[in-house]
Amino acid sequence: IQMTQSPSSLSASVGDRVTITCRASQTISNYLNWYQQKPGKAPKLLIYAASTLQGGVPSRFSGSGTGTVFTLTINSLQPDDLATYYCQQSYNVQVAFGGGTKVEIK
Amino acid sequence: EVQLVQSGAEVKKPGESLKISCTASGYTFTTYWLAWVRQTPGKGLEWMGIIYPGDSGTRYNPSFEGQVTISADKSISTAYLQWSSLEASDTAIYYCARRRMTGTTGDFHYHMDVWGKGTAVTVSS
Repeated sequence: IQMTQSPSSLSASVGDRVTITCRASQTISNYLNWYQQKPGKAPKLLIYAASTLQGGVPSRFSGSGTGTVFTLTINSLQPDDLATYYCQQSYNVQVAFGGGTKVEIK
Repeated sequence: EVQLVQSGAEVKKPGESLKISCTASGYTFTTYWLAWVRQTPGKGLEWMGIIYPGDSGTRYNPSFEGQVTISADKSISTAYLQWSSLEASDTAIYYCARRRMTGTTGDFHYHMDVWGKGTAVTVSS
């Protein structure tokens, strides 16, 4: 299963709403996770099962989608959200990540 | 606190062997699968394989099978990733991550909820 993210990078202002899209090459139901990786740090789980927020993650993050198209939304972008975001399918044992979306702050 | 502590950065020459480690604390090591993930600038994040320390059962990404060995020593809550003969293309950051399962029978979801800080491996002559 191949995972494709778009855009590969974006620049937005503090307070903006940001949407990142992830597409699977075949249907994966809601077996989709999102991770945030800040510069020089390990990835951090944000959302699992497409829409369930991991504990401690700010509520401005949300996920949606099922089947082959998924979105990660950041409502009211904050300076701390500067990072690269990755989707990852967990539909089968052979886990696959998307190529990442780098979010920059204008 | 649940933690995964990885061994330090390594600089090796092509052809050398290497074993890096990931030591778990704060949870029962033998009851969670533990994954290894490679990160390179060119290929992003790649899932290499996973081990169940309870019985040392492993699953590998076909792209990495035969190239690396994943093992675990449950007596010291430590998992390992090893190479017998490194290549320059093995230069990367390697992360270990705990795989957590949620859901109900017939609808289990898996995600990597705790990550180590990564081990940078540089292979250069």
